[in-house]
Amino acid sequence: EVQLVQSGAEVKKPGESLKISCKASDYSFISYWIAWVRQMPGKGLEWMGIIYPADSDTRYSPSFQGQVTISADKSINTAYLQWSSLKPSDTAMYYCARPQSTSWYHGMDVWGQGTTVTVSS
Amino acid sequence: DIQMTQSPSSLPASVGDRVTITCRASQSISIYLNWYQQKPGKAPKLLIYTTSSLQNGVPSRFSGSGSGTDFTLTISTLQPDDFATYYCQQTYKTPCTFGQGTKVEIK
Repeated sequence: EVQLVQSGAEVKKPGESLKISCKASDYSFISYWIAWVRQMPGKGLEWMGIIYPADSDTRYSPSFQGQVTISADKSINTAYLQWSSLKPSDTAMYYCARPQSTSWYHGMDVWGQGTTVTVSS
Repeated sequence: DIQMTQSPSSLPASVGDRVTITCRASQSISIYLNWYQQKPGKAPKLLIYTTSSLQNGVPSRFSGSGSGTDFTLTISTLQPDDFATYYCQQTYKTPCTFGQGTKVEIK
C-alpha cells in the first residue's frame, strides 16, 4: 500500500530548531513530487512548498520562503521540513502529501497522517 | 500568487439536499482545479481532480464543473457522511494555493 508516514508530535520552545520527516513506501519515491501543507489550529490548508526527490528541485510559497527548508533523502525515501528558529506562530499541524501523477497537476491523493508542532515557552 | 476564493464559508444543509460550493480563481487556471474533503482530526481526502474527474472510490453524488476562473463542487444528495469541510486547490502553477474552505454543517 502506498503510504506516507510522518514523524511524531513535537513540543518545542521559541528559538529552537526542528526537522520533521515524511517516509514514503511502496512506490518509486524519486518519481513523484512531495508537498508540505500547513494547517494552523482551527484554520484552513496552506500550501508551503514541494520537492522533487530525484534532483531536489524545490518550489516554495513566497509566504514560507526563507522561513522553512524542504529537503529529501532519496536513499531512505524520506522528505523533510525543517525550521532553524521556531516561533509560536509555527504551531500547527503539518501534512506531507503526494500528487497522484508524476506532475503536481492532478491533485494530491496520498497524505501523511500529519505532525503536530507546538511551540510554546 | 493565484488567490482562490470559496463561497460560502459555511453552508447549513440537511440530509437529502443538493449542495453547491463555488470557487473563484484570481486568474485563469484552465482546468487545474481540485476539490478535497476534510473531517476533524483527519488528513484531507481528494474528491475531484482537474475540475471534473472523480477520484477512485469517491461516490458519484460528488461532481465538479467549470473552467478558467469559476468552478463548482456539487453534492447531488447530501448524505450524513458528507458533513465536513471542503477545499478547492489550484494546481495550474506554484504556489498551489487552496481556498479558505467551506464547512457543510447540519441545519
